[in-house]
Amino acid sequence: SQQGEEDPQALSIQEGENATMNCSYKTSINNLQWYRQNSGRGLVHLILIRSNEREKHSGRLRVTLDTSKKSSSLLITASRAADTASYFCATENNAGNMLTFGGGTRLMVKP
Amino acid sequence: EPEVTQTPSHQVTQMGQEVILRCVPISNHLYFYWYRQILGQKVEFLVSFYNNEISEKSEIFDDQFSVERPDGSNFTLKIRSTKLEDSAMYFCASSGDGSSYEQYFGPGTRLTVT
Repeated sequence: SQQGEEDPQALSIQEGENATMNCSYKTSINNLQWYRQNSGRGLVHLILIRSNEREKHSGRLRVTLDTSKKSSSLLITASRAADTASYFCATENNAGNMLTFGGGTRLMVKP
Repeated sequence: EPEVTQTPSHQVTQMGQEVILRCVPISNHLYFYWYRQILGQKVEFLVSFYNNEISEKSEIFDDQFSVERPDGSNFTLKIRSTKLEDSAMYFCASSGDGSSYEQYFGPGTRLTVT
């Protein structure tokens, strides 16, 4: 797989359920960032987790990072219809001067 | 809340023409970036810019592309002679206010080359 690959590619859940998206990467990183993109719109920064961190929370978001497995997960708890979007992980290289994005997970939350 | 802005929101140009995409990064940020997203594909890194010079660039960022920070607020991407395959959404981003390094993205410019 390529740097920053998410799975699943698509996820459909009911409102109120939790959504988990996974990201794998290949090279060493400075940090890993998660973004949301509504159809045809810009990228909204959700959360950044540094390479020396294992877990981070922000509101209904929980991100984990396992550098030994080169993987991360994004958990959205108590999902809402407004969470419907594509979610991307992006890894920052050690030089800290570029992000490599994955292909994204398309999340649909049904009301 | 401060945000990255981009103009125009949509640019249509003919193949071979030059285009300049404009961005105003967040005012106290030090690092600036351009990315692009071809319809239905991944977001791809083009170039990063720090201290008035290119810090990193991808293979996509060939001699047809250039960036400039002409004044204290604008950051531009120029494509000298556009090709059909340059059609994409172009995103500007900025980061680095000294306390955090999240990259904040603008809303994008949709470039259509005909």
